[in-house]
Amino acid sequence: GAVVSQHPSWVICKSGTSVKIECRSLDFQATTMFWYRQFPKQSLMLMATSNEGSKATYEQGVEKDKFLINHASLTLSTLTVTSAHPEDSSFYICSASSPSGNNEQFFGPGTRLTVL
Amino acid sequence: AQSVTQLGSHVSVSEGALVLLRCNYSSSVPPYLFWYVQYPNQGLQLLLKYTTGATLVKGINGFEAEFKKSETSFHLTKPSAHMSDAAEYFCAVSDRPGTASKLTFGTGTRLQVTL
Repeated sequence: GAVVSQHPSWVICKSGTSVKIECRSLDFQATTMFWYRQFPKQSLMLMATSNEGSKATYEQGVEKDKFLINHASLTLSTLTVTSAHPEDSSFYICSASSPSGNNEQFFGPGTRLTVL
Repeated sequence: AQSVTQLGSHVSVSEGALVLLRCNYSSSVPPYLFWYVQYPNQGLQLLLKYTTGATLVKGINGFEAEFKKSETSFHLTKPSAHMSDAAEYFCAVSDRPGTASKLTFGTGTRLQVTL
């Protein structure tokens, strides 16, 4: 089946630093990738949708300059949390889809970010 | 706007007992509904989805869900729970059939299966 990986699985950083999270589709080409954020005991909240080779579309309330998304290839999307602060601590999950896969979203295992 | 409510953040059942996880939705357009399962340290996996047609949808691992428009519900059931069913379950709604469209998730229900 379609596999999506995320790296790192967890990261701890100091306040003010930037953190990059990678999302890879391992065995298919992902024309669209999604980035979600999940707080404890809360829903997955869609942050942005990215299509390969174009700018990401951000959801209302998500700062595009703080959460930089790059979808440079059909198998890789990156989320960079710039100047991270403790309130950015969360679980970040990506998903990838391909038209050939009946448009199903395949989810990565998530990345736990803790900002000290 | 669309929203999903999952009643009960934790559900505990005995092995072999009926599993019922509740999901109610709100949508101003015909909804497309999904159930996902998340095992520890793994990504979300699609269990089943309702797009159009038959309102009783069968999914993987013996799960099924019924779309009831009058009740705005899409509850997930399984006749007999197995220990391997212990996981987090998420209900989601979209305004388009493909899961590549924007999904709105519920807060999730953690299913515990006891001996």
